[in-house]
Amino acid sequence: AQSVTQLGSHVSVSEGALVLLRCNYSSSVPPYLFWYVQYPNQGLQLLLKYTSAATLVKGINGFEAEFKKSETSFHLTKPSAHMSDAAEYFCAVSDGGNNNDMRFGAGTRLTVKP
Amino acid sequence: GAGVSQSPSNKVTEKGKDVELRCDPISGHTALYWYRQRLGQGLEFLIYFQGNSAPDKSGLPSDRFSAERTGESVSTLTIQRTQQEDSAVYLCASRAWEWLADTQYFGPGTRLTVL
Repeated sequence: AQSVTQLGSHVSVSEGALVLLRCNYSSSVPPYLFWYVQYPNQGLQLLLKYTSAATLVKGINGFEAEFKKSETSFHLTKPSAHMSDAAEYFCAVSDGGNNNDMRFGAGTRLTVKP
Repeated sequence: GAGVSQSPSNKVTEKGKDVELRCDPISGHTALYWYRQRLGQGLEFLIYFQGNSAPDKSGLPSDRFSAERTGESVSTLTIQRTQQEDSAVYLCASRAWEWLADTQYFGPGTRLTVL
């Protein structure tokens, strides 16, 4: 079964600094990969997803992620952090197709310091 | 159209009692998922449904947990003889059945507190 590992349960950056949240996946078939964000006291919402088109995926709020098959990675980045980016970020993997299963990582809590 | 809804939004129960949590997915979504999120922790996969069938029940923590789905629509997660460690937010998500991966849409969750 597929799985994801998010490196770092907590990441802290200064406002304006680069955000890098790491995600590595394991899948026996070409995966579909997702990043979800959960703002404080809110539900999860999709940030971006990779579905085998372009390897660099752009999402909402200036975030993007690059699929690297050789590294089995799908790291999330943003060039300049904003205070409003403080949230919990979840990486997820699905093998799509007729399995329709989806597994989430443990999450990374991003803190943005002024 | 309406999103995923869950009821109740909050449930406080006494240890040993049974609880039922309900999820109404987006109309037409074939796949339905249940997750548990303990305070300060990540999403823990519980079970998912393709139509009314559950191909993978491996995430259910114990035999006190069960789930069913009827009419390829509403799903109920039942926890019998609740324990304090069952306290968590239970999230439901639905997803359209497509060959290409589709987005999961999450409900607001049910916050369960076992006293």
